[in-house]
Amino acid sequence: RKEVEQDPGPFNVPEGATVAFNCTYSNSASQSFFWYRQDCRKEPKLLMSVYSSGNEDGRFTAQLNRASQYISLLIRDSKLSDSATYLCVVNSNTDKLIFGTGTRLQVFP
Amino acid sequence: ETGVTQTPRHLVMGMTNKKSLKCEQHLGHNAMYWYKQSAKKPLELMFVYNFKEQTENNSVPSRFSPECPNSSHLFLHLHTLQPEDSALYLCASSQVGGRDEQYFGPGTRLTVT
Repeated sequence: RKEVEQDPGPFNVPEGATVAFNCTYSNSASQSFFWYRQDCRKEPKLLMSVYSSGNEDGRFTAQLNRASQYISLLIRDSKLSDSATYLCVVNSNTDKLIFGTGTRLQVFP
Repeated sequence: ETGVTQTPRHLVMGMTNKKSLKCEQHLGHNAMYWYKQSAKKPLELMFVYNFKEQTENNSVPSRFSPECPNSSHLFLHLHTLQPEDSALYLCASSQVGGRDEQYFGPGTRLTVT
């Protein structure tokens, strides 16, 4: 089983839609969880950390389910500028950050 | 944004050349990283430095040689590369190594001919 698994997509959604991505991880002892955003041919940028209680930042909501070992990202009221690849990141049992392959989102007018 | 800078942004080199990639972070962090990102593959961790000491070498071929003179600067020296080494090379930093969020530079797009 991969340490971090994501559906590669692409998810094609219209502007204004709500879209959700899930990511599963294999290390039950993981303590750090993040979502990064990566635009085409650019570097990954931290979108948000994921806390046990869940957290929200504007249109973005991240949740952690430790029992099922997955994290999720919900984007409400999608904008064209949300089109990007979203990377799920989890710390490994050797305390390195492991990056998923990413889920590609394409928002169309 | 100038938190983590990398130079050059693009590099084309022949297999017999020697070149160096430079990374500088202005965030006061103590850990720095080199990653390789090839097309349609996840980020691959290459090297980790904590407080200037190398703490991780992820089975990287010796034709890649890192150098970390201080906590703010990181180099990747390249020699006798292969075409399959063509990729985006990303530098990142974090407060300390391990679980903290990392901040990336814009990367160097390397093409080996």
